[in-house]
Amino acid sequence: EAQVTQNPRYLITVTGKKLTVTCSQNMNHEYMSWYRQDPGLGLRQIYYSMNVEVTDKGDVPEGYKVSRKEKRNFPLILESPSPNQTSLYFCASQDPSTDTQYFGPGTRLTVL
Amino acid sequence: GQSLEQPSEVTAVEGAIVQINCTYQTSGFYGLSWYQQHDGGAPTFLSYNALDGLEETGRFSSFLSRSDSYGYLLLQELQMKDSASYFCAVLTSGGSYIPTFGRGTSLIVHP
Repeated sequence: EAQVTQNPRYLITVTGKKLTVTCSQNMNHEYMSWYRQDPGLGLRQIYYSMNVEVTDKGDVPEGYKVSRKEKRNFPLILESPSPNQTSLYFCASQDPSTDTQYFGPGTRLTVL
Repeated sequence: GQSLEQPSEVTAVEGAIVQINCTYQTSGFYGLSWYQQHDGGAPTFLSYNALDGLEETGRFSSFLSRSDSYGYLLLQELQMKDSASYFCAVLTSGGSYIPTFGRGTSLIVHP
């Protein structure tokens, strides 16, 4: 089954404690991206990657890092989380033939 | 930069037709997509328009006018399960080809 997986699905952490949210897709897509979703603000792009070792900033990259060492994986790293990063995070991969985004199930992060 | 405008909320009754509008401002416009998101769930793809006109997929249709920088999603024969948020998203050339999303429209369907 074609899918995007994210882990963990829920995470409560404290300010300053480094964390990584993993994302993996099995569709061999080159394009992957991370979004955060906050009430009233829609989906805002954090980082995207157009291929292995090619990443670029989206609209709200501050406080985040990403890496793309393999085509299937695109982890999101918060080196020093802060409460304003409390949000719902979605990873997505894109089918280039249809420009369709396939989203993971989401990770709800709370930073205390 | 890019900007998209869509209504924050739309209400309708079961069986009715509803239209959700989206206007955009962007350079290098490539296409307009629509996604549906139920509470607590992931967005799922509904439709995509790269050319002017109407695309129909079952009860859902999407329209694009490139000259007016405008599109809409039309939902017919509304069902309770259509209560969800609907996002328009623009794709632009010369950049990432990864969509920028609007803030979403919450559709509430009443019995």
